[in-house]
Amino acid sequence: DGGITQSPKYLFRKEGQNVTLSCEQNLNHDAMYWYRQDPGQGLRLIYYSQIVNDFQKGDIAEGYSVSREKKESFPLTVTSAQKNPTAFYLCASSIGRKTRTGGEPYEQYFGPGTRLTVT
Amino acid sequence: GESVGLHLPTLSVQEGDNSIINCAYSNSASDYFIWYKQESGKGPQFIIDIRSNMDKRQGQRVTVLLNKTVKHLSLQIAATQPGDSAVYFCAETSTGGGNKLTFGTGTQLKVEL
Repeated sequence: DGGITQSPKYLFRKEGQNVTLSCEQNLNHDAMYWYRQDPGQGLRLIYYSQIVNDFQKGDIAEGYSVSREKKESFPLTVTSAQKNPTAFYLCASSIGRKTRTGGEPYEQYFGPGTRLTVT
Repeated sequence: GESVGLHLPTLSVQEGDNSIINCAYSNSASDYFIWYKQESGKGPQFIIDIRSNMDKRQGQRVTVLLNKTVKHLSLQIAATQPGDSAVYFCAETSTGGGNKLTFGTGTQLKVEL
């Protein structure tokens, strides 16, 4: 089955600890994204990557870091510098900007999410 | 609807009625729009998309209407079912927009039996 997976589904950490959330896709997509969702809110972009070994900050990158060493994987680290890390984290993938030849959809495919609780 | 504080706007409909969920966007350069459905505790799922060269597109039980003049998008769900209960988000992008989507705040749809 083609898709995007995130693990774990639930994650608990103590304040002051860094934690890494996993995101893997087998859709052969160049682009991957990380979003944060708080209760009753929309999706806010943390980081995104259009191609391997390249990534850019989104709207709320402070306190987060990412890497993109493989096309299939885009792990997100929530560092101790993130002041309010408890949230639902969503990973997505799509056709890459440089892969587009015209007419392809801009749809992003989402994983099931990881709910992070920091106490 | 418009969100107030941390509360999502909510639309309550009776099972079998039609639902209309609205979304306003602000970027006049946006030329591609998507509706997503998000069930509780899950990731968003694609419902339907529309490009700016169209003003209407139909899928299975869903219709999206686009009014570029007033920058307004709507999602119509016919014969709403309990399984349609979810939060619905609109998303927009532009062809030259860096391959990113901008999401609306969402509308909670509640289907009453």
